[in-house]
Amino acid sequence: ETAVFQTPNYHVTQVGNEVSFNCKQTLGHDTMYWYKQDSKKLLKIMFSYNNKQLIVNETVPRRFSPQSSDKAHLNLRIKSVEPEDSAVYLCASSDRASNSDYTFGSGTRLLVI
Amino acid sequence: GDSVTQTEGLVTLTEGLPVMLNCTYQSTYSPFLFWYVQHLNEAPKLLLKSFTDNKRPEHQGFHATLHKSSSSFHLQKSSAQLSDSALYYCALRWGSNYNVLYFGSGTKLTVEP
Repeated sequence: ETAVFQTPNYHVTQVGNEVSFNCKQTLGHDTMYWYKQDSKKLLKIMFSYNNKQLIVNETVPRRFSPQSSDKAHLNLRIKSVEPEDSAVYLCASSDRASNSDYTFGSGTRLLVI
Repeated sequence: GDSVTQTEGLVTLTEGLPVMLNCTYQSTYSPFLFWYVQHLNEAPKLLLKSFTDNKRPEHQGFHATLHKSSSSFHLQKSSAQLSDSALYYCALRWGSNYNVLYFGSGTKLTVEP
């Protein structure tokens, strides 16, 4: 099956803890993205990687750090989570070379208590 | 800067009535416009996108026309179905920013019997 896979589906943690989310795409795309969907359903770009290189870094707090081992994987680490980090984190991929459409993963829902 | 505006946060309709969801944009360059649909607890999925040759895109009974004169890309359907209940996002992309999609605030469509 070709798609974008995210783990975990759901994570509950306390303020100040560190969390990591994983994303893998099997579509052969060259670009991956992290989006944050907040409680008001606003969907905002956080980071974008093209062939393992960071190419877009929107205004995101420094406690967020993306990590890419290869073009099929893009993880997101949050050091010392804050209550406002509670959201759904959506991973997506596309192929910049062929100008393909985005494919989204089903998201990781983070709840910070 | 470039942005997408969806003026309606919530739209409630009776089944069988026409649907129109508004989307306007501001862009320095000629953008590509998209409509994404997100059903409850699912990933956003591409519904349709603008073409450069002014063809009107259609999918699942929905259509939208890019009007550069009014900077609009409204989503329309002649007859709403119960299964159309979902969150709809209008999004903009311009190629010089690494194919990043910028989303509007979303419109939640509820279709009632």
